[in-house]
Amino acid sequence: DQQVKQNSPSLSVQEGRISILNCDYTNSMFDYFLWYKKYPAEGPTFLISISSIKDKNEDGRFTVFLNKSAKHLSLHIVPSQPGDSAVYFCAAIDSGTYKYIFGTGTRLKV
Amino acid sequence: DAMVIQNPRYQVTQFGKPVTLSCSQTLNHNVMYWYQQKSSQAPKLLFHYYDKDFNNEADTPDNFQSRRPNTSFCFLDIRSPGLGDAAMYLCATSRDTGVGYTFGSGTRLTVV
Repeated sequence: DQQVKQNSPSLSVQEGRISILNCDYTNSMFDYFLWYKKYPAEGPTFLISISSIKDKNEDGRFTVFLNKSAKHLSLHIVPSQPGDSAVYFCAAIDSGTYKYIFGTGTRLKV
Repeated sequence: DAMVIQNPRYQVTQFGKPVTLSCSQTLNHNVMYWYQQKSSQAPKLLFHYYDKDFNNEADTPDNFQSRRPNTSFCFLDIRSPGLGDAAMYLCATSRDTGVGYTFGSGTRLTVV
């Protein structure tokens, strides 16, 4: 049972435009969410996070939005740059165990 | 800015040679966590400190130890690194368990 879902395996965006990556989750015990970025042949690196008590967190070109009622979060990248081309993983932390649950990733091509 | 700092960003160590990874925080958070993340896998919680109380995960190998000499610092010691210990090691803090994590940028460990 996939508790964290990224339904778009790939996304192609023109340079300078906005990239929107989406993530849905099913477990209401998740209270912290993260986005990771992964380049080929490297491990995922932490990008941005958001606590369940917030609905938005911004860091430079990256903004994460959380809609708790819909159990949905999204990552916005504005403006998109070629160096943003990577696989993006959404992750949630279970507040009971502190363990991560990862989505399957979305490959972004700019 | 208050933050979590991990040093070094990249660490290369020899097979079997002890290595220590460092994490410091300026947030005055009670809880500090160490995660191990291997390529294409979810981060795995190794242990965490709640203040001075050490909490080890049941499946964390004895090869991994941790020290927290004060609120600000926490160290991960790998006594005899094996090739399988090559990974990204993430430090995180929170004011209380299950609340508001702040992550460091990680230390990528290579074992040669």
